[in-house]
This record gives sequence, structure tokens and C-alpha cells, in this order.
Amino acid sequence: QVQLVQSGAEVKKPGASVKVSCEASGYTFISHAISWVRQAPGQGLEWMGWISTYNGNTNYAQNLQGRVTMTTDTSTNTAYMELRSLRSDDTAVYYCARGAFAGNGAFDYWGQGTLVTVSS
Amino acid sequence: QSALTQPPSASGSPGQSVTISCTGTSSDVGGYNYVSWYQQHPGKAPKLMIYEVTKRPSGVPDRFSGSKSGNTASLTVSGLQAEDEADYYCSSYAGSKNGGVFGTGTKVTVL
Repeated sequence: QVQLVQSGAEVKKPGASVKVSCEASGYTFISHAISWVRQAPGQGLEWMGWISTYNGNTNYAQNLQGRVTMTTDTSTNTAYMELRSLRSDDTAVYYCARGAFAGNGAFDYWGQGTLVTVSS
Repeated sequence: QSALTQPPSASGSPGQSVTISCTGTSSDVGGYNYVSWYQQHPGKAPKLMIYEVTKRPSGVPDRFSGSKSGNTASLTVSGLQAEDEADYYCSSYAGSKNGGVFGTGTKVTVL
């Protein structure tokens, strides 16, 4: 069965970086894009961007341009999301999801989420 | 890219129907048939309920249906059940430059 398993919770200080992993199984990794979505405490969903697992092309949300990098390792079927220059308002649960807005617009499988807390 | 507008809350008694709206612009909801709906229970990851405006993934009950008119999409839950109580989010493709956008979310309460 399709599974996306994310790395564990992180606590970071303002100005630091965080890298969250998302290991996929149960399907052909390069056949589906991976998107990243975050959710601040008590807030709604925010799209962060997506990466083509086939050729590495990316598309990032404009408000995160310059601070976010998405990559993949096709040898381990793992996607990564790195966010730099962390601020307190980056505190959120970060999700990876299979699919992309640029495909059929649907995210059909989601990781369990990774809580990133930014605090001094 | 501004979030799509959803009502903060909606409610209905068991067996009744509830409809949630999702209003965008001609640059997102109105411009593409790539509207999806997600159900999220507290502390859980979102679950895809509807994609491409009207399609249901395998395993999603046919009590859930989607539609779109102009810049507004809608999700209808018929025959409400206790387990339908959750937050619901719409999303839409918004073009190659902007990617996509989620709605503000609607909390559905089963009375």
C-alpha cells in the first residue's frame, strides 16, 4: 500500500534551518510528484511547493522563494524539504503529499506530518 | 495568491445534508477544473475526498459530491454521519506561476 513516512519532530532556534524527509513506498516513486503543505497551530493549510520526482523540477510558493529548497533522492525514494532562516511563524506541522497542483490538482496520499517548532 | 474563501462553520443533524462553498476567482477556481476537497480530523493528516471538481477517489462514500459554478465550487455531504464531523478544505490550481491555493477551511459539526 502507498505510504509516505516523514521524519520526526524538530525544535529549532530562529535563524536556523530545518530539513524534513518523506520516504515513499508502495508505488513507483518517479511516477508522481511530491508536494509540501504546512499548517500552523489552529490554522488552515498552506501550499509550499512541489517537486517533480522524475526530473527534479520545482515550483515554490512565492512567499517562500529564497528560503525553501525541495529535493529528492530516487535511490531511496525519499523527498526532502529544507527551510532556512526560520522565524517563529514557521512553527507548523509540515506535510508531504503525493501529487501536484500542476497535475490533476489532487494530493491523494499524505505523510503523517512533522511538527517543526521555532523558538528561542 | 489569496486563500479561497470558505464559511468558517456549517452544521446539520444526522441524516441531513450540508453544503460548503469555496469562492475564488477566474484565475483559480473559475479558470480550471482542478478543484479538490479534503477532510481533516483533529490531529490527523488531510484526506482527499473530491478531485477534479466532481470525482471521488476509491473508498470515499458517494454521500460526498462536488460541483462548480463560475468562481465558486461546492462540496455537499448527504446523509450526515457522526464521523463526518471534521474540518474541510477546498483547493484549486492557480496556473503554472502561482501553483495552487487552499481554502480557509470549514468546520462541519454534526448536531
